[in-house]
Amino acid sequence: DVKVTQSSRYLVKRTGEKVFLECVQDMDHENMFWYRQDPGLGLRLIYFSYDVKMKEKGDIPEGYSVSREKKERFSLILESASTNQTSMYLCASSDPHEKLFFGSGTQLSVL
Amino acid sequence: EDQVTQSPEALRLQEGESSSLNCSYTVSGLRGLFWYRQDPGKGPEFLFTLYSAGEEKEKERLKATLTKKESFLHITAPKPEDSATYLCAAQAYSGGGADGLTFGKGTHLIIQP
Repeated sequence: DVKVTQSSRYLVKRTGEKVFLECVQDMDHENMFWYRQDPGLGLRLIYFSYDVKMKEKGDIPEGYSVSREKKERFSLILESASTNQTSMYLCASSDPHEKLFFGSGTQLSVL
Repeated sequence: EDQVTQSPEALRLQEGESSSLNCSYTVSGLRGLFWYRQDPGKGPEFLFTLYSAGEEKEKERLKATLTKKESFLHITAPKPEDSATYLCAAQAYSGGGADGLTFGKGTHLIIQP
């Protein structure tokens, strides 16, 4: 069965900390994505990657960076966490028909 | 600017009471219209892709339809396990791949026994 795995289900961090969110997919998909989901705002694309070592900014990249050293792994980095980055973070990969497969999400709280 | 609007925001139905969810879209050349289901505390799960006006797709109690301006998700004789948030997303030809998706905010559906 197709799977996207996010390393943490819940995270609590302090303002100013560097935060790493890890995502692994086992479907050999080329394309991977990071979204954040907030009540009333829906899903917003942060970064995406269409190949190893490649990254592109989405709609809201400010305050985030990403790393894709291997095809199956796509990491989201919050360089200096802030309270407005408290959110649900969703990783996804897409198949050749651009159907998205999502992980279960990481609920991040920044205090 | 591409826009996707879903209505209603929330819908409460009795078990067996059929209804429809609406997804209105404004994109510069629709490449595909996607429906996803999201359960609490989980990521969205793919339901359907529609590509052209007049197209319909079915899965169990769900049927998705597409016109040139909107898509409907019809739920026939729903059961409590159909309770979830339903998301639609529109993809424009100019938007590239899956990065070009514009998501609606979703309809939160509750089916009461």
